[in-house]
Amino acid sequence: QKEVEQNSGPLSVPEGAIASLNCTYSDRGSQSFFWYRQYSGKSPELIMFIYSNGDKEDGRFTAQLNKASQYVSLLIRDSQPSDSATYLCVVIPYGGSQGNLIFGKGTKLSVKP
Amino acid sequence: DAGVTQSPTHLIKTRGQQVTLRCSPKSGHDTVSWYQQALGQGPQFIFQYYEEEERQRGNFPDRFSGHQFPNYSSELNVNALLLGDSALYLCASSLEGSGSVNEQYFGPGTRLTVT
Repeated sequence: QKEVEQNSGPLSVPEGAIASLNCTYSDRGSQSFFWYRQYSGKSPELIMFIYSNGDKEDGRFTAQLNKASQYVSLLIRDSQPSDSATYLCVVIPYGGSQGNLIFGKGTKLSVKP
Repeated sequence: DAGVTQSPTHLIKTRGQQVTLRCSPKSGHDTVSWYQQALGQGPQFIFQYYEEEERQRGNFPDRFSGHQFPNYSSELNVNALLLGDSALYLCASSLEGSGSVNEQYFGPGTRLTVT
């Protein structure tokens, strides 16, 4: 059973702080990793993807991947109340394809003004 | 340019009944995937349709079936509904072989309640 594990939270940070969201995955052969954001009652939206070990930055978001440790993280700098949502760590396992995404349960982030 | 659309928005059914959910992919997309999201959980992959055929399937029983039409729209059918089938059903579309990163767009979902 291929799994993606996340702390369900809630993770509470003050406005302007750095929010750090973490994820581990079980399939060592996984090659593609994504972070989706889901507001309450809405559908998930893709915010970051990463394929290679290291860091990838996009605006206030930084995704980090360590395949040896089977660990993915998302940093949100200068957190805003509008960042309050559930963040889903998503993996395409070895042999999988676009569309066959393995989702974690999500970490609920709350940014306090 | 319309994004992914799903209908209906909400649905209430009784145990044992059958339900059909519909999805129209984003313009230009040809692949449709269906996910089930129970309350407080991440979405779980049900199956994916491409070229009118089921290409991949997750760990869901045969009560869950689907169809893709020539215009790429898709239906999800669930027979003999159980209380545990109550969830948000998400449809996602993408373009096969686009050569780009996984640009999978999700629809707003259908909230199914089984009583």
